[in-house]
Amino acid sequence: AAGVIQSPRHLIKEKRETATLKCYPIPRHDTVYWYQQGPGQDPQFLISFYEKMQSDKGSIPDRFSAQQFSDYHSELNMSSLELGDSALYFCASKLRGADTQYFGPGTRLTVL
Amino acid sequence: AQTVTQSQPEMSVQEAETVTLSCTYDTSENNYYLFWYKQPPSRQMILVIRQEAYKQQNATENRFSVNFQKAAKSFSLKISDSQLGDTAMYFCAWSRGGATNKLIFGTGTLLAVQP
Repeated sequence: AAGVIQSPRHLIKEKRETATLKCYPIPRHDTVYWYQQGPGQDPQFLISFYEKMQSDKGSIPDRFSAQQFSDYHSELNMSSLELGDSALYFCASKLRGADTQYFGPGTRLTVL
Repeated sequence: AQTVTQSQPEMSVQEAETVTLSCTYDTSENNYYLFWYKQPPSRQMILVIRQEAYKQQNATENRFSVNFQKAAKSFSLKISDSQLGDTAMYFCAWSRGGATNKLIFGTGTLLAVQP
């Protein structure tokens, strides 16, 4: 079965640079979530989208923005990167009426 | 605010034995779901099992089962016939019922299955 696709899988950036993470949900899934998992920590919710509209917002820094496109894929844009942004970024998707989120493999971001 | 607590940072079990991972949560909601996700060394988040709060029957998935005690707000995971491939971090998670159901995770339990 098709899974959630995230790209790139690994990304290395310098401080103050920008990064764009992409998420392609499971086909027909219309809801996308972004989570950040720091080293040795549990995943923390950042933001979610349904039908191209932001549906919920968590602890996402103002330096980050995200959007969902008409094909339901989503992009997380991160600017003025800081060392503390180094983490594993997960995208998850689900059908709006369902309760279970399915996770992508994650993008490992390293900020030097 | 909803919280999820996993009080066992690490656990160890012998291959073929049974182990139980604990999870408690706090919520005032009536409509919610509970999940166990597994994160092996590959760091992929894999759904192990889910429980709907309005269902009294405990969920089971092959060797994995839960003990859901709604009044006590407890949601433990039992792994039977443990296998080496079960070695992973296990996260308990809670979400509100409805469309915008973000997951709130516990801090995880690192399970090591010994040969």
